[in-house]
Amino acid sequence: KAGVTQTPRYLIKTRGQQVTLSCSPISGHRSVSWYQQTPGQGLQFLFEYFSETQRNKGNFPGRFSGRQFSNSRSEMNVSTLELGDSALYLCASSGVLDQETQYFGPGTRLLVL
Amino acid sequence: AQSVTQLDSQVPVFEEAPVELRCNYSSSVSVYLFWYVQYPNQGLQLLLKYLSGSTLVKGINGFEAEFNKSQTSFHLRKPSVHISDTAEYFCAVSMVMNRDDKIIFGKGTRLHILP
Repeated sequence: KAGVTQTPRYLIKTRGQQVTLSCSPISGHRSVSWYQQTPGQGLQFLFEYFSETQRNKGNFPGRFSGRQFSNSRSEMNVSTLELGDSALYLCASSGVLDQETQYFGPGTRLLVL
Repeated sequence: AQSVTQLDSQVPVFEEAPVELRCNYSSSVSVYLFWYVQYPNQGLQLLLKYLSGSTLVKGINGFEAEFNKSQTSFHLRKPSVHISDTAEYFCAVSMVMNRDDKIIFGKGTRLHILP
């Protein structure tokens, strides 16, 4: 069974631009969560989607948004990028049978110049 | 509210020596506990998890962890480390009764293996 995939793996943007990151969960998984990882703040929860609905949300500004499609693939969008948005963005999925366990993708490394 | 504390941000240890990475949690309800490992430039990989039953949990790569409810701890151990264990290790907790709630991660412990 293929793991969680994320595209693109690396991205360079400039301040003020917007970016969209994509995540394809493990086949059969319906829950997708997004995390931001930085050296200073560690792993911070962004939001979780389940069956196309946002189920949980972390403490991030409205510039960070997401959505989930009917095939469980998810996208995360960041508008009006700031230098501090430079980070590794991780996506994780979980299944019905072991919904307490999150399986992570390799991440998208975003650099904002 | 739940919280996770990893007491050591960095742990240096000689190759083939034993290691313990400490994790304490705070929660008013029963929890699930996890350890993840992150190798350089990669995502997080599940090492092991405690859901219920035996308090000693064995994971991949020779790691094990022991759930201690009275001390609210879930320390990770390996009897003999290898250079390939160089990575960052994250402890995480989620609530048993509310699977809709998010998982909380510790700040991570960077394990340095010395030759």
